[in-house]
Amino acid sequence: SAVISQKPSRDICQRGTSLTIQCQVDSQVTMMFWYRQQPGQSLTLIATANQGSEATYESGFVIDKFPISRPNLTFSTLTVSNMSPEDSSIYLCSVGGSYGYTFGSGTRLTVV
Amino acid sequence: AQSVTQLDSHVSVSEGTPVLLRCNYSSSYSPSLFWYVQHPNKGLQLLLKYTSAATLVKGINGFEAEFKKSETSFHLTKPSAHMSDAAEYFCVVTLFLSYNTDKLIFGTGTRLQVFP
Repeated sequence: SAVISQKPSRDICQRGTSLTIQCQVDSQVTMMFWYRQQPGQSLTLIATANQGSEATYESGFVIDKFPISRPNLTFSTLTVSNMSPEDSSIYLCSVGGSYGYTFGSGTRLTVV
Repeated sequence: AQSVTQLDSHVSVSEGTPVLLRCNYSSSYSPSLFWYVQHPNKGLQLLLKYTSAATLVKGINGFEAEFKKSETSFHLTKPSAHMSDAAEYFCVVTLFLSYNTDKLIFGTGTRLQVFP
């Protein structure tokens, strides 16, 4: 299965600023997925990122708040824009298929 | 529509006793089902997966799950709990997107506590 390197692992940010999270995969993958895990909660899919096209966002998530880039088949970024304390969560990227899905180690974001 | 329900938010067992984490799913087609484990401050790890082969699936660390279509269930079991099993467990069902790519629908999670 693929190996994902995600960074940063954690950050503390001021409200109103933006943070870009990076995920690098050790093999080429068609789709990458971005999730949010709020404190004590399960994972919620933010968007699906396909190389060469705009990301597809789930209900409740918008591109202006969570812009995603997917410049090639091994890399993607998620930006959390104009942050507020409500954005404090763990953000994870994922790749995979019917054989199973691999997750990055997560970015623990705290907005103060 | 695809959905998954984890029936217990918390399960507590004594070390050495059996573990049962319950999961029911809803799917308009034959789904793929997974169990993932998340240890505190750690990433998600795949425990096991069902993809329409054998209905009894064996995973890592002694865990197994049985796919029961008639009951739409995919309960996770382990004969004897170990202290290191204490973690959050997620039942996951897939939603088909395209060939060889699905979207994952996560259950709300079950926190397993293991007492000595």
